[in-house]
Amino acid sequence: DTAVSQTPKYLVTQMGNDKSIKCEQNLGHDTMYWYKQDSKKFLKIMFSYNNKELIINETVPNRFSPKSPDKAHLNLHINSLELGDSAVYFCASSQEPVWGLRFEQYFGPGTRLTVT
Amino acid sequence: KQEVTQIPAALSVPEGENLVLNCSFTDSAIYNLQWFRQDPGKGLTSLLLIQSSQREQTSGRLNASLDKSSGRSTLYIAASQPGDSATYLCAVSTSGTYKYIFGTGTRLKVLA
Repeated sequence: DTAVSQTPKYLVTQMGNDKSIKCEQNLGHDTMYWYKQDSKKFLKIMFSYNNKELIINETVPNRFSPKSPDKAHLNLHINSLELGDSAVYFCASSQEPVWGLRFEQYFGPGTRLTVT
Repeated sequence: KQEVTQIPAALSVPEGENLVLNCSFTDSAIYNLQWFRQDPGKGLTSLLLIQSSQREQTSGRLNASLDKSSGRSTLYIAASQPGDSATYLCAVSTSGTYKYIFGTGTRLKVLA
């Protein structure tokens, strides 16, 4: 059973296109996250949702819009893709938000986005 | 602003050695610290989570310690095996920010 799944695993697209990455967790967690890992392997948080509500919104361009239709899903939509958006995007979930005592994060396998 | 540093950036050891990975953070007001491993092309796997009130956590051959006052955590791996080869990341959540800040990782290679 996959705890946190992401689709697609690989995404190759041209500049200017709009694309979406989907994330689903079957752990019953209340909090989900999107992270970006750049070419130097540095991992940085982008967004966090708790019970479908946005709780963290880092300095991310408006072209990135997360959507949480329910607690088990957090999708990431990217408009007008740019070369600099090329990276690996990870979805994660945890039982509680970061201030909780059961804040162990579970990560998805990642989506490698390449913008040409 | 919290900054997390991991030293060394890369480490190569023969099988069977005990080793220590280091993680330093600049702001000691943390909620918790988590150690992860990342295999090439894969996501992150949680290894150990240490709450700010704890000093250490153990899981199998892994032991993580936390010294908030000095802004340091260490991950001790006993009797290393080739299967331990991966990148190890530490992540720190700082009080009031509600997010994790990740270090740049230590790339470990255990030679058979």
